[in-house]
Amino acid sequence: DVVMTQSPLSLTVTLGQSASISCRSSQTLVSSDGSTYLSWFQQRPGQSPRRLIYKLSNRDSGVPDRFSGSGSDTDFTLKISRVEAEDVGVYYCMQGTHYPPWTFGQGTKVEIK
Amino acid sequence: QVQLVESGGGVVQPGRALRLSCAASGFTFSSYSMHWVRRAPGKGLEWVAVISYDGSNRFYADSVKGRFTISRDNSKSTVYLQMTSLRGEDAAVYYCAKDDNSSPARWGQGTLVTVSS
Repeated sequence: DVVMTQSPLSLTVTLGQSASISCRSSQTLVSSDGSTYLSWFQQRPGQSPRRLIYKLSNRDSGVPDRFSGSGSDTDFTLKISRVEAEDVGVYYCMQGTHYPPWTFGQGTKVEIK
Repeated sequence: QVQLVESGGGVVQPGRALRLSCAASGFTFSSYSMHWVRRAPGKGLEWVAVISYDGSNRFYADSVKGRFTISRDNSKSTVYLQMTSLRGEDAAVYYCAKDDNSSPARWGQGTLVTVSS
């Protein structure tokens, strides 16, 4: 199984500043079709998870452009620019290249200073 | 708009069974794979199972293999998760989600399963 490792596990950010979350996979996530099936999810307190990014860097509909995904091979980053109060929550990376199983990172808790 | 509504959660004794349902609307249900994902108290997200658009392929996490069964009824736009031999570690909020690009793209509100004697 592919192991997904996120860092940091907790992050406190000042409003208006940027935040970055790292995600590493135990093997390359480049699929035989050339795509990288790496997604990012946000789970706000008391809410269901919401997908932000799919296939490495594609933003889902309605996701602010403050959120961006990047990386390659086994190293990936979610960047949140100009952090807002509504960004508080837990963020997860997930791989869908080598399945089953689909595997999530441990989650990164983002708080506002 | 896509809507997924889970139901069937509740309190169940260890060793007993429970069936979760997820009613879908707002998209062509029969064209999409569907996932179940759970989040146990104090833990992160854990993928549980997936079923292909026509039900011909089903995959499970090792933690539930042999105990849980995913199924779907495309005529009712509903996906199910039959859970048997429930354990304390199965207690969680269970979410169904529509797959898109090998990823749970849209999620329901979740249903809570509590395993307690």
